[in-house]
Amino acid sequence: DADVTQTPRNRITKTGKRIMLECSQTKGHDRMYWYRQDPGLGLQLIYYSFDVKDINKGEISDGYSVSRQAQAKFSLSLESAIPNQTALYFCATSDGTSGRGTQYFGPGTRLLVL
Amino acid sequence: GQNIDQPTEMTATEGAIVQINCTYQTSGFNGLFWYQQHAGEAPTFLSYNVLDGLEEKGRFSSFLSRSKGYSYLLLKELQMKDSASYLCAVREDYGQNFVFGPGTRLSVLP
Repeated sequence: DADVTQTPRNRITKTGKRIMLECSQTKGHDRMYWYRQDPGLGLQLIYYSFDVKDINKGEISDGYSVSRQAQAKFSLSLESAIPNQTALYFCATSDGTSGRGTQYFGPGTRLLVL
Repeated sequence: GQNIDQPTEMTATEGAIVQINCTYQTSGFNGLFWYQQHAGEAPTFLSYNVLDGLEEKGRFSSFLSRSKGYSYLLLKELQMKDSASYLCAVREDYGQNFVFGPGTRLSVLP
């Protein structure tokens, strides 16, 4: 089984709709992240969380919100989807207590906003 | 400000050696990571440098010069499966704010 899973893998929605992307991990890591990836722009950080009670905005948090329901679960919501939020979304985890803090990524969610 | 630069695209021949450069200007530095990403897939960890010098790992090596804000990833004995994007990322502090470069798309030709 994959260590970091994301659901759904693909989603098509309409402008103005609220949608949620979910991320779960079995790696036991305390830190979780949401990124979006657009062609030619690399990965941009949306939100990150260092534990259940800690939520931080990244560089492009406007239009997004998150919830850390448990150490293993971190969900991303688009309150009112717009076409320029069409992108590939990745969840990632890292271990903040030991090691180098390498990030491990989920398989991604491809979102299309019409 | 934060800025990480990488070449957009590179092409190399199977069996050859290729060097992918990364230059960075960030507000802090606590490690540089290289990731490989095949089209439509998740990035996967390749290498990590926090001190100056070369880190070797099989066919892949990564070099860091902190004073120059420069790193490179060296891929030897290229294989077709090495065709992918290679992402350079800097961790600015141990608070783990990562900044990613735009990625370099490598095409390996027969």
